[in-house]
Amino acid sequence: DIVMTQSPDSLAVSLGERATINCKSSRSVLFNSKNKNYLAWYQQKTGQPPKLLIYWASTRESGVPDRFSGSGSGTDFTLTISSLQAEDVAVYYCQQYYITPPTFGQGTNVEIK
Amino acid sequence: QVHLQESGPGLVKPSETLSLTCTVSGGSISSYYWTWIRQPPGKGLEWLGYIYYSGSTNYNPSLETRVTISVDTSKNQFSLKLNSVTAADTAVYFCARVFTDNGDYRWFDPWGQGTLVTVSS
Repeated sequence: DIVMTQSPDSLAVSLGERATINCKSSRSVLFNSKNKNYLAWYQQKTGQPPKLLIYWASTRESGVPDRFSGSGSGTDFTLTISSLQAEDVAVYYCQQYYITPPTFGQGTNVEIK
Repeated sequence: QVHLQESGPGLVKPSETLSLTCTVSGGSISSYYWTWIRQPPGKGLEWLGYIYYSGSTNYNPSLETRVTISVDTSKNQFSLKLNSVTAADTAVYFCARVFTDNGDYRWFDPWGQGTLVTVSS
């Protein structure tokens, strides 16, 4: 299985400031022939199911605010919230879909400082 | 817009079988892959398995001997059975639709709200 490791486990950011979450996979999730990274990001607010934010590592799902962006390739990825809003308080998960079983990071809890 | 809703007992005794159903509304279950994912309280997400509307399945090897996923297209539902449960199977169980690309599994969207199943005597 591909192990996904996120850092940090938790971070507190002031409103309007940047939040950066890292995700590292135990092997590359870049499919070279398609030049695509098989990685998604989800947001889970308390008491709610995860919500898809980003797929192909950097493609924003329809309706997701443009303050959310994804970057990275191979084994190292980043989710950035450019200007944290109160409604962004949540746990964020990365997920690889390069091979079955799909696996998730342990989650990063984002809160307001 | 597709909506998914999990249903089933919230309490299961140890060694018994956990059974849940996911009802799909706002769209057809046909021509899509579907999945079950669980989340123990305060912990991360674990994928359990996929099912295609035709009935073909793919399970997580870590649970393969205990899990069965089935589909009922006439009811627009798919179901999960997990046998020989223990306290470690206590979790919120989510159903979700799988985005596929040329038959390859990709991301999960949308998700059901989730249902908590507690394993306890």
